[in-house]
Amino acid sequence: NAGVTQTPKFRVLKTGQSMTLLCAQDMNHEYMYWYRQDPGMGLRLIHYSVGEGTTAKGEVPDGYNVSRLKKQNFLLGLESAAPSQTSVYFCASSLGTVSNQPQHFGDGTRLSIL
Amino acid sequence: SQQGEEDPQALSIQEGENATMNCSYKTSINNLQWYRQNSGRGLVHLILIRSNEREKHSGRLRVTLDTSKKSSSLLITASRAADTASYFCATGMIQGAQKLVFGQGTRLTINP
Repeated sequence: NAGVTQTPKFRVLKTGQSMTLLCAQDMNHEYMYWYRQDPGMGLRLIHYSVGEGTTAKGEVPDGYNVSRLKKQNFLLGLESAAPSQTSVYFCASSLGTVSNQPQHFGDGTRLSIL
Repeated sequence: SQQGEEDPQALSIQEGENATMNCSYKTSINNLQWYRQNSGRGLVHLILIRSNEREKHSGRLRVTLDTSKKSSSLLITASRAADTASYFCATGMIQGAQKLVFGQGTRLTINP
């Protein structure tokens, strides 16, 4: 039982390039989330999904897009990478709403934009 | 904007001592959760305490919640070197129940 798996673990991009971060969970969770973590800022929610085929904006959605075509996968896309998007990205999932369920996190993707 | 603020930002103690971390928040919550993050890893859930609960225990962890003061504390008793990590509080809001809002974390170092 792998839990939440993120790929890739590390990536370096040039400004203007695009890429997709993949998150996969094997716990049959309905809810999935993408966060970014920057020094001294804690975790900030980018986008989230409450079920297959649904997505919603979080606190810092600009410059990112997401898709949830399959229940187990949640993809985060950067269309035109900018240095301000250099960060560590975490995916999480939960069985139900966070009002009564904890979130399970992957180990992160460390992304550098040059 | 960050909902939770944690205090202290960093804490260094000797192995065997108790460690206390505090979290304050601004708006009404449904629940408050504590997570641990080891260096280079993702967050791991520790305890969830609901707004109608005052105290919760899990092994060496004790969490209290005071909704009148909008604050929570995490106590780790008899600390071990393996407890060295960053600890985050996260609030589940009454409105926007799908989301957690994280604090900036407390960096705990346990010295052998």
